[in-house]
Amino acid sequence: AQKVTQAQTEISVVEKEDVTLDCVYETRDTTYYLFWYKQPPSGELVFLIRRNSFDEQNEISGRYSWNFQKSTSSFNFTITASQVVDSAVYFCALLWPESTNAGKSTFGDGTTLTVKP
Amino acid sequence: DVKVTQSSRYLVKRTGEKVFLECVQDMDHENMFWYRQDPGLGLRLIYFSYDVKMKEKGDIPEGYSVSREKKERFSLILESASTNQTSMYLCASTPGSGGAHEQYFGPGTRLTVT
Repeated sequence: AQKVTQAQTEISVVEKEDVTLDCVYETRDTTYYLFWYKQPPSGELVFLIRRNSFDEQNEISGRYSWNFQKSTSSFNFTITASQVVDSAVYFCALLWPESTNAGKSTFGDGTTLTVKP
Repeated sequence: DVKVTQSSRYLVKRTGEKVFLECVQDMDHENMFWYRQDPGLGLRLIYFSYDVKMKEKGDIPEGYSVSREKKERFSLILESASTNQTSMYLCASTPGSGGAHEQYFGPGTRLTVT
């Protein structure tokens, strides 16, 4: 069965702190894709990153970085020097081959990040 | 830019009413989805459609139906609204086969059933 676990329900940090959001996934497939989405208070989920299972290189985009480790089935997301605008709900998602054509992903329950000034 | 729009941001309906939630995307995407989002439960898939007039049940289809008569429009129907269907409803779309694509989401409809 495909499953995504985001164990951290809520995280609160003070501006400029670094914060890591955890994502652990389960799948028997060797080919799969992982995603992170951000849902700001306005409500619309926004795509942040996609990773396929054959690419374990870490990714950095500005203050955002992602650490993909197949050995621990994790795809963690770090925000460096957090800002108030980073306050949002963050979702990790998994897409596997059988669902690729239909584009159907399974989502974690989300982590609510609050960054205080 | 891909745009997914939903007919209402906020909706208040009475128990027993028939409710229509509309979603339109403008990028010729084959796949469309309806989710509901509740605190602590993440996103749960209600129905999805991979082509016009084609639909499949998601994880929680009970009490809902869908319609996709045109490629760009995917409607969610609550046949007889109940208070436990009070929720945030999110529509999404994604291109069809040929790779793993991210989903494009609409702004959501917050439905309250009284």
